[in-house]
Amino acid sequence: ETGVTQTPRHLVMGMTNKKSLKCEQHLGHNAMYWYKQSAKKPLELMFVYNFKEQTENNSVPSRFSPECPNSSHLFLHLHTLQPEDSALYLCASSPELQKETQYFGPGTRLLVL
Amino acid sequence: GQQLNQSPQSMFIQEGEDVSMNCTSSSIFNTWLWYKQDPGEGPVLLIALYKAGELTSNGRLTAQFGITRKDSFLNISASIPSDVGIYFCTGAGGTSYGKLTFGQGTILTVHP
Repeated sequence: ETGVTQTPRHLVMGMTNKKSLKCEQHLGHNAMYWYKQSAKKPLELMFVYNFKEQTENNSVPSRFSPECPNSSHLFLHLHTLQPEDSALYLCASSPELQKETQYFGPGTRLLVL
Repeated sequence: GQQLNQSPQSMFIQEGEDVSMNCTSSSIFNTWLWYKQDPGEGPVLLIALYKAGELTSNGRLTAQFGITRKDSFLNISASIPSDVGIYFCTGAGGTSYGKLTFGQGTILTVHP
């Protein structure tokens, strides 16, 4: 248990569906991150939030829309995804953006049909 | 962008053997982190290194921050079956402020 939870753990969706991934951290951290992990590829950073403000969008397609209502919660809204978006989506948090030790959640395994 | 070369890509060892894996980079990092990822789970932090030359242990795990700040290694002594998983090195700081750069991972298989 790392103090970072993600729901759902598994998700199957069609290309026309809209769904959301949720991340919650119980560590009192101020920075939160979304990563994408595809088979045989290094983790890809998608978004960074620091004190609820987005500080990084790593050229992510607009069909992925993040939301950070407060420092403890992070969402990733999904809309009209493609099959190649199937991957493990990982959330992480760190005390501050400058404190780079990140703690990861268990991930959401997404399959787009 | 910054890249890490992690080796070996995979290892098959017998229970009880020692394991060594390493990461090298063409860029300088201020922090090196080693994570382990079990199937279907997120990476779990094993060891964090914050100073060049630092040698840190966590049980049977030992990691070092290279003196040039461009490399790090992780050793696992007396491996056991639950050591199975993917081990990632990550570099932070340097020119990638606030971001982690991940290695490709080392897949470790331990035969009982």
